[in-house]
Amino acid sequence: NAGVTQTPKFQVLKTGQSMTLQCAQDMNHNSMYWYRQDPGMGLRLIYYSASEGTTDKGEVPNGYNVSRLNKREFSLRLESAAPSQTSVYFCASSAAQGNTEAFFGQGTRLTVV
Amino acid sequence: QQQVKQSPQSLIVQKGGISIINCAYENTAFDYFPWYQQFPGKGPALLIAIRPDVSEKKEGRFTISFNKSAKQFSLHIMDSQPGDSATYFCAASRGNTPLVFGKGTRLSVIA
Repeated sequence: NAGVTQTPKFQVLKTGQSMTLQCAQDMNHNSMYWYRQDPGMGLRLIYYSASEGTTDKGEVPNGYNVSRLNKREFSLRLESAAPSQTSVYFCASSAAQGNTEAFFGQGTRLTVV
Repeated sequence: QQQVKQSPQSLIVQKGGISIINCAYENTAFDYFPWYQQFPGKGPALLIAIRPDVSEKKEGRFTISFNKSAKQFSLHIMDSQPGDSATYFCAASRGNTPLVFGKGTRLSVIA
């Protein structure tokens, strides 16, 4: 059982380049999330999808877009990468939004130069 | 506005000692308070969680203490071991909203 799978694991981008971070879960979860983790800042929510077909902004959505492709997959796109987007990105999923356990992927370490 | 405030930022504990990490929250509508554990290079994983209808929950060496009137909750790790060295995050949520996390505590347990 793979759980939450993120690709790629590492990526280096030049300022202004675009890329999409992929996330897939095999637990039949309804809700999916994208967080970023920066030193001393904890985990900050970028976007989330409470259920298939819906997406909502989190705490730090600027510079990002998301797509809930189907129930399994939730992608995060950086249209024009900036050095401030250098971070570790985590995808997570949960059976329902809110008061249930969230399962996290292994993370994508992104560096924008 | 930080919804969940976590302290300390880092903690060093002797093997066999008690590790204590504290969190405070403002939103009285929060009704789910989990703690996540993260090892280097890995994603966070749920360690233990509590709901506000109880004041304490214990799972093995890990205990959450919850003080509703003070809007605080804490994680106690008894008989701390080097394998407990990790970053710990408190979090909170209400109803059907996503988790909000504290900034994390880096715990080092030394022999």
